[in-house]
Amino acid sequence: EADIYQTPRYLVIGTGKKITLECSQTMGHDKMYWYQQDPGMELHLIHYSYGVNSTEKGDLSSESTVSRIRTEHFPLTLESARPSHTSQYLCASSESKAPATNEKLFFGSGTQLSVL
Amino acid sequence: GESVGLHLPTLSVQEGDNSIINCAYSNSASDYFIWYKQESGKGPQFIIDIRSNMDKRQGQRVTVLLNKTVKHLSLQIAATQPGDSAVYFCAENISPSGTYKYIFGTGTRLKVLA
Repeated sequence: EADIYQTPRYLVIGTGKKITLECSQTMGHDKMYWYQQDPGMELHLIHYSYGVNSTEKGDLSSESTVSRIRTEHFPLTLESARPSHTSQYLCASSESKAPATNEKLFFGSGTQLSVL
Repeated sequence: GESVGLHLPTLSVQEGDNSIINCAYSNSASDYFIWYKQESGKGPQFIIDIRSNMDKRQGQRVTVLLNKTVKHLSLQIAATQPGDSAVYFCAENISPSGTYKYIFGTGTRLKVLA
């Protein structure tokens, strides 16, 4: 069982609110990721980080932002939530140093976001 | 809560039978592949991986087969159990040049019938 935690598990919020989804891992992994997953659909990478002070945009365009001030913490922020942001957000981490092609992703349980 | 999964292909198998879940990947340059299992309300869990220099890898009750000629990956589960009911995703690493990127397939829902 991987030690990666996401809070909250569920969030229902009104349009225009600012929200932050939390993700923490206690494994000392350098690399962390945020994926977005709609019901019955594949995972799409929206942000990733190779380590502290490193953040990159993923394949899927997202209005969210991320920060990586500490190794263990990789929060995702939406400045102004909209109904189109309704989705499941999955955080993941991996232990490999620098870019690598054979590393396992460990996932958190996800945050199910509903924007009304 | 339960994902709706209306668009997911579904495989139904009897408990005790073997299951085969298939995945077509997109990039002939992909050199690393992973199968993940996602149970309702949880994040994906690693099952087994395989590198492109192999065509078969076995784990506990699971086997992954890789056919690079047709860009096809399969996951075989022996003696399927009720606890195997979940959505299964394959993922390919598409950037052998070094920049980390994975593409995930759409997933297959496995239903184990008692």
